[in-house]
Amino acid sequence: GESVGLHLPTLSVQEGDNSIINCAYSNSASDYFIWYKQESGKGPQFIIDIRSNMDKRQGQRVTVLLNKTVKHLSLQIAATQPGDSAVYFCAETGGDYKLSFGAGTTVTVRA
Amino acid sequence: DGGITQSPKYLFRKEGQNVTLSCEQNLNHDAMYWYRQDPGQGLRLIYYSQIVNDFQKGDIAEGYSVSREKKESFPLTVTSAQKNPTAFYLCASRDERLAGYTFGSGTRLTVV
Repeated sequence: GESVGLHLPTLSVQEGDNSIINCAYSNSASDYFIWYKQESGKGPQFIIDIRSNMDKRQGQRVTVLLNKTVKHLSLQIAATQPGDSAVYFCAETGGDYKLSFGAGTTVTVRA
Repeated sequence: DGGITQSPKYLFRKEGQNVTLSCEQNLNHDAMYWYRQDPGQGLRLIYYSQIVNDFQKGDIAEGYSVSREKKESFPLTVTSAQKNPTAFYLCASRDERLAGYTFGSGTRLTVV
């Protein structure tokens, strides 16, 4: 079936370095993508989104890149901080607004 | 402040019991959703409702039931038919103009 998945379940990054979290999706009809951050015991928080008519979108310290040709999505976090330690999920929808989530990548920031 | 409130934060259920998880939102959102999250896994859709008095099954609806009598409220009942109910349950809502969801803080259900 169609699914959204992340390439790596864990990522360890040195404080101050840039982080890159990857996500692959298989639903070619997907036209809206979102990255969420989930801290332990809490609900997911919106980070950034991108529509399929865009390749790149920047926020505060975060950038999302979309490659529709290979169905790949990535989240880049600049100057990673200890507060960035969390599980990151990509999610996609094809217009029916039912989000499908990947399994998540756990990011651990080393001091 | 507007948001979504889930209660209780922690819930313990004996085998064979039904339990109801509360989800209330004051965001005036039409659509509401229930997801289940197991350790190390992503979110799986249980039920969703696009409008009051209407709801649809998600991917893992067996053993669960919902109601949507008010726009603000979307309670989830975990019935005794759900064989493995221990999980973290997340409620979300969506503005009809936007595709992104706003999530509650979750209820952790444990069967004892």
